Amino acid sequence: NAGVTQTPKFQVLKTGQSMTLQCAQDMNHEYMSWYRQDPGMGLRLIHYSVGAGITDQGEVPNGYNVSRSTTEDFPLRLLSAAPSQTSVYFCASSYVRGENYGYTFGSGTRLTVV
Amino acid sequence: GNSVTQMEGPVTLSEEAFLTINCTYTATGYPSLFWYVQYPGEGLQLLLKATKADDKGSNKGFEATYRKETTSFHLEKGSVQVSDSAVYFCALHAGGTSYGKLTFGQGTILTVHP
Repeated sequence: NAGVTQTPKFQVLKTGQSMTLQCAQDMNHEYMSWYRQDPGMGLRLIHYSVGAGITDQGEVPNGYNVSRSTTEDFPLRLLSAAPSQTSVYFCASSYVRGENYGYTFGSGTRLTVV
Repeated sequence: GNSVTQMEGPVTLSEEAFLTINCTYTATGYPSLFWYVQYPGEGLQLLLKATKADDKGSNKGFEATYRKETTSFHLEKGSVQVSDSAVYFCALHAGGTSYGKLTFGQGTILTVHP
């Protein structure tokens, strides 16, 4: 059981380049989310999805696009990278079963924009 | 909106010292509260959680009690080890239709010396 898999683990981009951060989960969780982690600011929600075909914005969505065509995959797209997007990105999946729910995080993607 | 505030860090302790990391929150309704831990170079792991007032979460010697009257969820451990060195995040899940969304504090870096 792989859990949440993020690729790549490290990436360096030039300003203006585009790229997609991949996220896949094999736990059949309904919900998936993207966060960015910056020093002294904790993790902030970028976008999230409550199911295939349904996405919504989080706290810091500007400069990022998402789509969710399947339950398993939730890619994050940077259309035109900026130095302010240098960060560590975490994908998470989550489930609800009655009163029980839980979150599983991927191991992160460290992105540097130069 | 929802918010989580953690004590200023970093925290440096000697092995076997007592640990407290303060966490307070602001939320509408009845949130669930979490502590996550991030070891160097890794993703986030759930340390403990509490889903209603007066619940105590515990794991690996760490404890936290959900105090609704003081809107707090302080993390404690009676005797820390070098292996506890990590970043600790307090987080809340607002409930209702907020599935897939966590609100994090800024994180507290803990360093334990032998």
